[in-house]
Amino acid sequence: GAGVSQSPRYKVAKRGQDVALRCDPISGHVSLFWYQQALGQGPEFLTYFQNEAQLDKSGLPSDRFFAERPEGSVSTLKIQRTQQEDSAVYLCASSGGYTEQFFGPGTRLTVL
Amino acid sequence: AQTVTQSQPEMSVQEAETVTLSCTYDTSENNYYLFWYKQPPSRQMILVIRQEAYKQQNATENRFSVNFQKAAKSFSLKISDSQLGDTAMYFCAPGGSNYKLTFGKGTLLTVNP
Repeated sequence: GAGVSQSPRYKVAKRGQDVALRCDPISGHVSLFWYQQALGQGPEFLTYFQNEAQLDKSGLPSDRFFAERPEGSVSTLKIQRTQQEDSAVYLCASSGGYTEQFFGPGTRLTVL
Repeated sequence: AQTVTQSQPEMSVQEAETVTLSCTYDTSENNYYLFWYKQPPSRQMILVIRQEAYKQQNATENRFSVNFQKAAKSFSLKISDSQLGDTAMYFCAPGGSNYKLTFGKGTLLTVNP
């Protein structure tokens, strides 16, 4: 596709469930980022990949959060044992270099 | 580490008028970029304009321009001839050598007909 895609667009989970959020970056983009955007706030950095290497995971809020990009393309953000405070929009972005990041539409996660 | 302050949570402007959104930031980086992103209601984030910190000339992109004051760490966005489609949340975001962006809390701009 022409842009970054994310699935699912909406996810409702019961507290304690595990969820997996998928990101398909723009073809050929080396860099991939995950951000968390709470309601009414700006996005906050979670983690960064360059190809398949996770170079920065300093923003992951707890060890319940895990991200991977095994083949340097599609990425998955996994949240284990979801909590209510995990409710947010999760944004994925990709970049072809030291330039702007192109964002996907996000996945809105609601934890009940 | 980088911090961003957008001191105007909400602004409104009449169609066809000009509006300026403010942003100040702090960074320990020497080489960095600055971005303004726009997030329309229920739609995805898109880039409005980009400024390289090493360039003195202010970036311009059609109706959008910036006033970049490096010493003051100020990066304001001016929107000329505002259009209804400019209604959105606007985020200022510096990006450093580690590539990740630090976003402000945003300014909600409403363009009124």
